Amino acid sequence: RKEVEQDPGPFNVPEGATVAFNCTYSNSASQSFFWYRQDCRKEPKLLMSVYSSGNEDGRFTAQLNRASQYISLLIRDSKLSDSATYLCVVNPTTSGTYKYIFGTGTRLKVLA
Amino acid sequence: NAGVTQTPKFRVLKTGQSMTLLCAQDMNHEYMYWYRQDPGMGLRLIHYSVGEGTTAKGEVPDGYNVSRLKKQNFLLGLESAAPSQTSVYFCASSNRNRVVRTDTQYFGPGTRLTVL
Repeated sequence: RKEVEQDPGPFNVPEGATVAFNCTYSNSASQSFFWYRQDCRKEPKLLMSVYSSGNEDGRFTAQLNRASQYISLLIRDSKLSDSATYLCVVNPTTSGTYKYIFGTGTRLKVLA
Repeated sequence: NAGVTQTPKFRVLKTGQSMTLLCAQDMNHEYMYWYRQDPGMGLRLIHYSVGEGTTAKGEVPDGYNVSRLKKQNFLLGLESAAPSQTSVYFCASSNRNRVVRTDTQYFGPGTRLTVL
């Protein structure tokens, strides 16, 4: 089993739709979780960190489910500019290591 | 404030040639990383550094060497390039957030390397 798994997509959704991605991780001791966004042929950029209580940033909501070992990203009112690949990132251990594990990404295409 | 920069942006090598990729950051970050990204695979950590003068192996270190002589620079070397090293290489830097005990990585624009 991969340490971090994502559905590669693509998810094709119309503008204004709500879309959700999940990401599962295998190490139950994982402490830090992130969603990064990567545009085609560009570098990854932090979208949001994922906290235990869940967090929201505008149209984006991230949640963590430790019992089932997954994190989710919800995008409301999708815009054309949201088209990108969304990377799930997990730090599999407690502090003292910097080996973040990246998922392969979920591709989102928002259609006009 | 340029953030993280990488040199060069593109390079084509022949098998057996050597080269050095340069990463520079102006954010005074302690930690720096080199990743490679291949189609269908997530970013994989090659080497990383937790401070000036220190380096450590990541997930896929074979065929690469690194040096961190200055805090702001992290160099990745390929001594004898192989076609399997054709990839996009990303450098990143971060600082530890002591409150939430995590850190945000800031990435450079990447270097596209082709080994023939």
